[in-house]
Amino acid sequence: QSALTQPASVSGSPGQSITISCTGTSSDVGSYNLVSWYQQLPGEAPKLMIYEVSKRPSGVSNRFSGSKSGNTASLTISGLQAEDEADYYCCSYADSRAYVFGTGTKVTVL
Amino acid sequence: QVQLVESGGGLVKPGGSLRLSCAASGFTFSDYYISWIRQAPGKGLEWVSYISGRSSVIYYADSVKGRFTISRDNAKNSLYLQMNSLRAEDTAIYYCATLPDYYFDYWGQGTLVTVSS
Repeated sequence: QSALTQPASVSGSPGQSITISCTGTSSDVGSYNLVSWYQQLPGEAPKLMIYEVSKRPSGVSNRFSGSKSGNTASLTISGLQAEDEADYYCCSYADSRAYVFGTGTKVTVL
Repeated sequence: QVQLVESGGGLVKPGGSLRLSCAASGFTFSDYYISWIRQAPGKGLEWVSYISGRSSVIYYADSVKGRFTISRDNAKNSLYLQMNSLRAEDTAIYYCATLPDYYFDYWGQGTLVTVSS
């Protein structure tokens, strides 16, 4: 159950689009369309942003979108805003009925 | 509204035990899988365990298997995590979260467990 690989940091200017990658293996991301993404603001609990690769929960801005190709999932934030500055984690269902999280990405709005 | 409140964290010596609780409200507790997820200070998230609504399905991460036991009391709308043989690397904030369908949608605010001599 090794952690999924995410870039440590991604940055962008307000209004720009950024993409965070999440690379796993054929035992997790590659085998299941069950990738979710979480936003964690400093000192707060994580918040669900995307589930089942590309679905958005009610109340989450449509500026957030998800996709997957092979063993890599991606989260794109379009029209970047200051309030998007946070840590983001991917998560995938995996073989042996386990869950594995990504290493986390710090998003900075320049 | 859905609310999850963890409690029971604290300072414990290596090799010691601790029992965490998660009190749930705002939804039909017995209908849902619930999970424990932890986060070491300044580190990423790590899935720990989950349990089905009627406790018939239970799974653990390899890192805690054999030391931690998840359980629930649907009459009390409560989830538990019994942690034995604690190690320094178990130091973390422990969150409970609902697991409706392969994702974690509602999270508590967490309870801090510190394992240190």
